[in-house]
Amino acid sequence: AQSVTQLGSHVSVSEGALVLLRCNYSSSVPPYLFWYVQYPNQGLQLLLKYTTGATLVKGINGFEAEFKKSETSFHLTKPSAHMSDAAEYFCAVSRSSGYSTLTFGKGTMLLVSP
Amino acid sequence: DGGITQSPKYLFRKEGQNVTLSCEQNLNHDAMYWYRQDPGQGLRLIYYSQIVNDFQKGDIAEGYSVSREKKESFPLTVTSAQKNPTAFYLCATRTGEGELFFGEGSRLTVL
Repeated sequence: AQSVTQLGSHVSVSEGALVLLRCNYSSSVPPYLFWYVQYPNQGLQLLLKYTTGATLVKGINGFEAEFKKSETSFHLTKPSAHMSDAAEYFCAVSRSSGYSTLTFGKGTMLLVSP
Repeated sequence: DGGITQSPKYLFRKEGQNVTLSCEQNLNHDAMYWYRQDPGQGLRLIYYSQIVNDFQKGDIAEGYSVSREKKESFPLTVTSAQKNPTAFYLCATRTGEGELFFGEGSRLTVL
């Protein structure tokens, strides 16, 4: 079984401040990890993913995440928030071997103030 | 351009009525999925299909049905047995690298 916990249903930052969205996962086998972003009344868009190789992965819009196996974490960061980053963010996990569906966290709403 | 088309984007239904949500893709992906999204609940898997004429129940399949007669199409029927059908429904396909590609969603409201 696999699961995802996103700490904080809402995170508020000021424009220009560091963005940190937390994701911890549980998986019985090496995981694939994903971050998605969703704007209101739209589908989800992939920000970045970790499958194998380098544990620090870079995505679109200046976001990056680091896979830390010892901490079972995959936190999402961005050095400087922009107003356009305000959206809901979802972390997801799947197994790296065999067929596996994606399991999503409950999401974190990022609020950016001027 | 390749993508996923979900229709309708907004749908209203009376209690006791069945409704069908359409999902069409031209990405040539084998696997297709239906998720339900409720505020604060994240995405929950309803049904998925890895190949034509085959599909599996997800975590919350009760009150829903699907078919997969063509590779391009994976319609979802919300039946009258679904007790709380008001939600945002998302269709997705799976790429060869394991991530999901989503449509724009359909919002169903039961009056």
